[in-house]
Amino acid sequence: KAGVTQTPRYLIKTRGQQVTLSCSPISGHRSVSWYQQTPGQGLQFLFEYFSETQRNKGNFPGRFSGRQFSNSRSEMNVSTLELGDSALYLCASSFGSANQETQYFGPGTRLLVL
Amino acid sequence: AQSVTQPDIHITVSEGASLELRCNYSYGATPYLFWYVQSPGQGLQLLLKYFSGDTLVQGIKGFEAEFKRSQSSFNLRKPSVHWSDAAEYFCAVGVIGTGTASKLTFGTGTRLQVTL
Repeated sequence: KAGVTQTPRYLIKTRGQQVTLSCSPISGHRSVSWYQQTPGQGLQFLFEYFSETQRNKGNFPGRFSGRQFSNSRSEMNVSTLELGDSALYLCASSFGSANQETQYFGPGTRLLVL
Repeated sequence: AQSVTQPDIHITVSEGASLELRCNYSYGATPYLFWYVQSPGQGLQLLLKYFSGDTLVQGIKGFEAEFKRSQSSFNLRKPSVHWSDAAEYFCAVGVIGTGTASKLTFGTGTRLQVTL
């Protein structure tokens, strides 16, 4: 069974631009969560999508948004990029239908904002 | 609010030596606990998890962890470390959000260095 895939793996953008990252979950998984990893703040939860609806949200500004498609693939968008948005963005998938579930992570997209 | 503390930022052990990485959590409900490992430039790989039942859980690559409710701890252990175990290790607690435990709160990680 294929794992979680993320595209692109690397991105370089400039301040003020916007970026879209993509995540394809493990087949059969309907929940996709996004996390930001930085040296200063560590791993922080951004949001979670289930059945095309945002179900949980972390403490990030509105510049960070996402969506999920009917095939459970998810995209994350960051508008008006700031230098501090440079990070490794990880997505994770799970079935999303029970409390005792494991999240499986993709390899991440490394975003550099110049 | 929930939190996870990994008190050791960096640990160095010799190959073949035993290893224990510490993790303490703070969470008001029954915790779902995880250990993940991350190699440089990679995503997170699940080592093991605790949901309920036996408090000593076995994982991949010879790792085990013990849940101690009285100490709010979930320490990771390995009896004999291999050079390939060098990586960063994250402890996490699964938080019940809307629907399911779909939000992980992570510790700051412990970087393991293995000397030959």
